[in-house]
Amino acid sequence: GQSLEQPSEVTAVEGAIVQINCTYQTSGFYGLSWYQQHDGGAPTFLSYNALDGLEETGRFSSFLSRSDSYGYLLLQELQMKDSASYFCAVTGGFKTIFGAGTRLFVKA
Amino acid sequence: GAGVSQSPSNKVTEKGKDVELRCDPISGHTALYWYRQRLGQGLEFLIYFQGNSAPDKSGLPSDRFSAERTGESVSTLTIQRTQQEDSAVYLCASSSNRDGEKLFFGSGTQLSVL
Repeated sequence: GQSLEQPSEVTAVEGAIVQINCTYQTSGFYGLSWYQQHDGGAPTFLSYNALDGLEETGRFSSFLSRSDSYGYLLLQELQMKDSASYFCAVTGGFKTIFGAGTRLFVKA
Repeated sequence: GAGVSQSPSNKVTEKGKDVELRCDPISGHTALYWYRQRLGQGLEFLIYFQGNSAPDKSGLPSDRFSAERTGESVSTLTIQRTQQEDSAVYLCASSSNRDGEKLFFGSGTQLSVL
C-alpha cells in the first residue's frame, strides 16, 4: 500500500522561511509532488521530484531523498497569500496518492 | 477545454437517492482521476482512468460507487442510494501522457446528503 505523513499545521511569520516535511511508504514509486490548496479552491500543482535533490521554482523549492523516502517543500519570503493547505503526493503505478495535508498559517 | 470542468458545482440530495457527477477533462488528457475530500481532510483516491479503461478502482468505497468514461473525454461518477457519510467535495483531475505527474484539478462538486 501507500501512505504519506506530513505535519497537520505549521505557523510562520511573513517574510520568513518555512519547511514542510513529508515521509512516504509506497511501492512502485515514480516521484513526489506538491500541491497547494486555498480554502474553497481546487488543488494546484507546485512541483515534482523524480530524482534525488533540490528543484527550485521561484520562492518555492522541493527536495527528495529516495533512499530516505523523504521530501520537503521549502517556501521562502513568505507572503500572506501563501496561507493555504499544502499536500505532498506520491505517484506510483497507476495512481497519485495524497497526504492529509499541512495547513500553513502566515502571520503578519 | 481550457481547464477541467465539473458539474454540478453543488448538489443537495436526500438520503437514498442516486446522484451523478460529471467531469470534462482538459482536451487531449488521457488520464483522469476522481478524488473525495471531506471537510478539512486530505484527498482520498477513488478511481483512475487511462483512456476509457480503469486499471485501478481500488479506492471506490463501496459497490454503491461506480464510474465510467467515454473514450478520452467525459467521465461520470455515480453514487447510488446516497448516505450522509457520502457528503464531501468530489474532485476530478486530468493529466497528459507527457506530464503524467502533473494533475490539473477541477473546482469540484460539493455533495450534501440530507
